[in-house]
Amino acid sequence: AQRVTQPEKLLSVFKGAPVELKCNYSYSGSPELFWYVQYSRQRLQLLLRHISRESIKGFTADLNKGETSFHLKKPFAQEEDSAMYYCALSGRGNQGGKLIFGQGTELSVKP
Amino acid sequence: NAGVMQNPRHLVRRRGQEARLRCSPMKGHSHVYWYRQLPEEGLKFMVYLQKENIIDESGMPKERFSAEFPKEGPSILRIQQVVRGDSAAYFCASSPLPGNEQFFGPGTRLTVL
Repeated sequence: AQRVTQPEKLLSVFKGAPVELKCNYSYSGSPELFWYVQYSRQRLQLLLRHISRESIKGFTADLNKGETSFHLKKPFAQEEDSAMYYCALSGRGNQGGKLIFGQGTELSVKP
Repeated sequence: NAGVMQNPRHLVRRRGQEARLRCSPMKGHSHVYWYRQLPEEGLKFMVYLQKENIIDESGMPKERFSAEFPKEGPSILRIQQVVRGDSAAYFCASSPLPGNEQFFGPGTRLTVL
């Protein structure tokens, strides 16, 4: 079955601390993985995708096919990183590119 | 470019009424996706449409729900005879090509009394 799991509903860290948001997936083919972010009162927006291998706003995520994980990391959290984060997958070659989302993790960065 | 527009932002219906949710994709985007977010859950895919065609409706409930994306005008998600369990946030996203980045609208929050 196709599934994305984010085990933490809420993650609270202090400013300057490292942060890791966990994401595990289940997919029978070759998936494409994404992290989307929703800041307060804003729309859901793409943060990064694994094929681009970019670092956006200091965040990185590496696809680990052996562990079927795509954890999101940042070495030094900032208060403006506080938001809702969703991990999602799409099957490569999947007709249309529909996204399968995890339940989301709320990141709270305290001063 | 104004981004993906959805209206209304909030919709209240009584059980048994019909709900119509509209989505105007970004300019130049001909691919539209609808997702539903129930309380305390992530977004769940419902349907993917291209102009005048339903491409993938594997996430749509079999009854009462329908979607369209006409040649002219917005995409419409229609829910007939709403029930309390339909209360959710409904998000629309658009992309210029399938598999490209999806741009999301602000969502419509449907409340069924």
